[in-house]
Amino acid sequence: QVNLLQSGAALVKPGASVRLSCKASGYTFTDYFLHWVKQSHGKSLEWIGYIHPDSDYTKYNENFKAKATLTVDKSTNTAFMDLNRLTSEDSAIYYCTTRRNYYGGYSLFDDWGQGVMVTVSS
Amino acid sequence: DIVLTQSPALAVSLGQRATISCRASESVRSSMHWYQHKSGQQPKLLMYGASKLASGVPARFSGSGSGTDFTFTIDPVEADDIATYYCQQSRNGYTFGAGTKLVL
Repeated sequence: QVNLLQSGAALVKPGASVRLSCKASGYTFTDYFLHWVKQSHGKSLEWIGYIHPDSDYTKYNENFKAKATLTVDKSTNTAFMDLNRLTSEDSAIYYCTTRRNYYGGYSLFDDWGQGVMVTVSS
Repeated sequence: DIVLTQSPALAVSLGQRATISCRASESVRSSMHWYQHKSGQQPKLLMYGASKLASGVPARFSGSGSGTDFTFTIDPVEADDIATYYCQQSRNGYTFGAGTKLVL
């Protein structure tokens, strides 16, 4: 059974950084792109970027290039997202997600982590 | 960026049809997908390629459209369908609509 297990909720101070984790199980971690998606409170979903765990190739939404850094640890099948210089605008739920099944070549998301809430507050 | 426009909310009655629209700011061909998102849960893929059901999704869900105008339908609506529905395009990058909240 596929599972993307994300780290627990974080309360961080403005200006600080936070590392979120996403541990994959039930499939070959290095075979599929791993994406991150942000959901601000009461708002829509926003794609942050992806990483390919086998090559470490990354691609970012322009809006997050200066904010997020994606990495993986293949030895533990874990993906990480570092968010820096946090402000209240970064308070949100963050999901890791991937597409494992074939959907006619379309890029979409069919497995999701449970999401982790990041609260930026002094 | 391609902007997807959805109505914010749709009032429905159980057993009736619910139709949600999504308009893209430019053509995405058939690269439109739909998700169901319930509070406290992760999003769930329901429809891909505008009109194809994801595995395990009941046939009372359907989708249509191409280019810039898309429709997602639930017929009949069941109590478990009360959620927010998002469209997502993958023609150029990845963007989501603002979501349509289904309310009784």
